[in-house]
Amino acid sequence: EVQLVESGGGLVLPGGSLTLSCAASGFIFGSYAMSWVRQTPGKGLEWVSTISGYGDSSYFADSVKGRFTMSRDNSKNMIYLHMNTLRTDDTAVYYCAKEASLGAWGQGTLVTVSS
Amino acid sequence: DIQMTQSPSAMSASVGDRVTITCRASQGINNYLAWFQQKPGKVPKRLIYAASSLESGVPSRFSGSGSGTEFTLTISSLQPEDFATYYCLHHSGYPPFTFGPGTKVDIK
Repeated sequence: EVQLVESGGGLVLPGGSLTLSCAASGFIFGSYAMSWVRQTPGKGLEWVSTISGYGDSSYFADSVKGRFTMSRDNSKNMIYLHMNTLRTDDTAVYYCAKEASLGAWGQGTLVTVSS
Repeated sequence: DIQMTQSPSAMSASVGDRVTITCRASQGINNYLAWFQQKPGKVPKRLIYAASSLESGVPSRFSGSGSGTEFTLTISSLQPEDFATYYCLHHSGYPPFTFGPGTKVDIK
């Protein structure tokens, strides 16, 4: 069974940084791209980023490009979202998901950017 | 960037109704289209991938079709547990990837 467990969310000041982690299990991790998706409470879904299986390519939404980076450690079955220069409109529940087509999702971790 | 639109944005339907939701891409995305269902307070769940492939365990009343720029999600006979918000997602070879704005299906 595929399991994805996010961690690292919390309250951060505008302009601050935060790193989210996602632990994966139940599939051959290095064979799959992995993604982050976010959702503001009561609003729609926003794709944030995707990283290739080897970790050599990553893609980002225009809204986070230049501020967020994504990495993975295939030896630990982990992905990370490194968020810098956070803004209040980055406040959301962040989900990690398997593949670019988001075949499985974690439960999400809440990031609140507020002073 | 590829933009995704969905119609309708909301609809009211009755149990047993046939429901069709349309998703349009601003340019061709082949069949790189997935459909998701989200119930209030729950994590989204993929129903359809590659435009028309049914996710394992998803009831056969759900089906997807289309290619290129126009896609549909059809629920052949709406059940009480199907009242939810539905999103499409393009994940073609041209990021950024984009969700549609969602279609909320509620009880008439």
